[in-house]
Amino acid sequence: DAKTTQPPSMDCAEGRAANLPCNHSTISGNEYVYWYRQIHSQGPQYIIHGLKNNETNEMASLIITEDRKSSTLILPHATLRDTAVYYCIVRVYGGATNKLIFGTGTLLAVQP
Amino acid sequence: EAGVAQSPRYKIIEKRQSVAFWCNPISGHATLYWYQQILGQGPKLLIQFQNNGVVDDSQLPKDRFSAERLKGVDSTLKIQPAKLEDSAVYLCASSLVRGMETQYFGPGTRLLVL
Repeated sequence: DAKTTQPPSMDCAEGRAANLPCNHSTISGNEYVYWYRQIHSQGPQYIIHGLKNNETNEMASLIITEDRKSSTLILPHATLRDTAVYYCIVRVYGGATNKLIFGTGTLLAVQP
Repeated sequence: EAGVAQSPRYKIIEKRQSVAFWCNPISGHATLYWYQQILGQGPKLLIQFQNNGVVDDSQLPKDRFSAERLKGVDSTLKIQPAKLEDSAVYLCASSLVRGMETQYFGPGTRLLVL
């Protein structure tokens, strides 16, 4: 079972920041937070991951609370092409099977 | 670089028929995964290969599903016989090795069982 809780859907205006929350209250010390997204009719795409520090790359920023029980994915300037299902996943470092356990994710709809 | 390739993209069969899906991972990627994604759900791992050996097949319904990865490159996933509940998208992914490496997904094969 997925170890994360996400809202089923969110809306965002084009050009505005999209903030997607994720709760992972049972996360362990050696578990990372990963984000993937899945655009309609495509396979999932890696976005970003982190352990306890905030992370930023060319796609997004990841903010992890100090107690690590929740996190927020930030898309700074959402475009229509960012409309997708966003999955938040916790994952053990060096796990033998490197398994990704997906939940049902958040459907982000970017409105023009 | 070329991504993960899958074929066919779509397949419609009747129940009790057999079907096979093909996956070609990114060149040099040692680990290959097959996921099943039922409509409205997130992908679920069916089987993971490291080179040509199986690492995890705990979620694979072995009475009807089989998979192989000959020579540690391409892989095929077969369903025989298919059931209505097998209607789903079958996704293939690959990564360099096990661990924390990014998994790269193919576009998937959409299967409809009538």
